[in-house]
Amino acid sequence: DADVTQTPRNRITKTGKRIMLECSQTKGHDRMYWYRQDPGLGLRLIYYSFDVKDINKGEISDGYSVSRQAQAKFSLSLESAIPNQTALYFCATSDRQGIPDYNEQFFGPGTRLTVL
Amino acid sequence: QQQVKQSPQSLIVQKGGISIINCAYENTAFDYFPWYQQFPGKGPALLIAIRPDVSEKKEGRFTISFNKSAKQFSLHIMDSQPGDSATYFCAARWGYQKVTFGTGTKLQVIP
Repeated sequence: DADVTQTPRNRITKTGKRIMLECSQTKGHDRMYWYRQDPGLGLRLIYYSFDVKDINKGEISDGYSVSRQAQAKFSLSLESAIPNQTALYFCATSDRQGIPDYNEQFFGPGTRLTVL
Repeated sequence: QQQVKQSPQSLIVQKGGISIINCAYENTAFDYFPWYQQFPGKGPALLIAIRPDVSEKKEGRFTISFNKSAKQFSLHIMDSQPGDSATYFCAARWGYQKVTFGTGTKLQVIP
């Protein structure tokens, strides 16, 4: 979805390096999420934020940190990258409206990260 | 238990056939069950979603069947087309917009 952008799209880095993945959205959504996708494991939630001052750990937050710089921006950092963090990373957003109906999560195009 | 178990991992169907993907869960607190479709090089996108008080939901060729007592739900793709070739994820919503995803099914529809 062009309304959710991720940079970079591809990144190769070395073990021990610090790396930041960035996500921006123009959908005006309050909620933002970071997931990683691994073959056979599906999508797993790393961190999520329901507004600018709200940061929450997901199921696999160890080794990662995040920053919500503004409503539209949510960054994921790997302080010291390791090879098992090689994966496809997705940012997603959703609107707060519509509860109790289902609020669709809109995903960015992904960042393919390789840690050597 | 926040897991959603999905099968099969991969599926090959002939054009015009029916594709069936199954999911199962344990947590009765899940309150919405969406399916996402992902094409190569793209992020997942919502395909269809169902509430647990509904047994079936149909949108075009895509149908979700939901069995609350068995804690199972499935996606049926009728008249499968090569353009349906993608990875499909079932999911479940819990705790106010948190979503747990299944492990994915790679569908290939052959002419």
